[in-house]
Amino acid sequence: QQQVKQSPQSLIVQKGGISIINCAYENTAFDYFPWYQQFPGKGPALLIAIRPDVSEKKEGRFTISFNKSAKQFSLHIMDSQPGDSATYFCAAMGGGNEKLTFGTGTRLTIIP
Amino acid sequence: DAGVIQSPRHEVTEMGQEVTLRCKPISGHNSLFWYRQTMMRGLELLIYFNNNVPIDDSGMPEDRFSAKMPNASFSTLKIQPSEPRDSAVYFCASSPGHSNTEAFFGQGTRLTVV
Repeated sequence: QQQVKQSPQSLIVQKGGISIINCAYENTAFDYFPWYQQFPGKGPALLIAIRPDVSEKKEGRFTISFNKSAKQFSLHIMDSQPGDSATYFCAAMGGGNEKLTFGTGTRLTIIP
Repeated sequence: DAGVIQSPRHEVTEMGQEVTLRCKPISGHNSLFWYRQTMMRGLELLIYFNNNVPIDDSGMPEDRFSAKMPNASFSTLKIQPSEPRDSAVYFCASSPGHSNTEAFFGQGTRLTVV
């Protein structure tokens, strides 16, 4: 059962553009929604996270938008740079345990 | 802190052999997780421990897989006997637990079963 659906599977954006990755969840017990960034040969690393008491969180060029009623959240990368090329995973946690359920990942490529 | 340390980084083994993956979590972290990453299935949680106790092993694929955490600074994931379909990257992660939920991942072990 896939509890967190992520799209698109891959994304190509020009340098300076906006990259947008979307996720949807099913379990209403989820109360923590992080995004992880993974470079080739490395483990995922936390990029930014949000809890459902706010609709948006911004850290530098990275913004999470959260829609609790629609059970959707998205990552926006402003002014995308070649160094942002990586695989991005959304995830969700909640229901009284520490299990992170990951989306299937988005391979982002920023082209000059 | 050196972060989560996994060994070996790469493992190639023959089908039927026993494989043991090792993990040293970040000191002071209370929770430890084992994940498997494949192209087909993405990142799957296999098992997680809290204070060295297995809390949820529902992701362990079958009896060939077992995990232990004998103390707060060491965990193993064992596959016996290994099969080609076990080929994947296995990640260990740890988190402080309590109200801090950030999981810190190791660099992973790339397992190839031939």
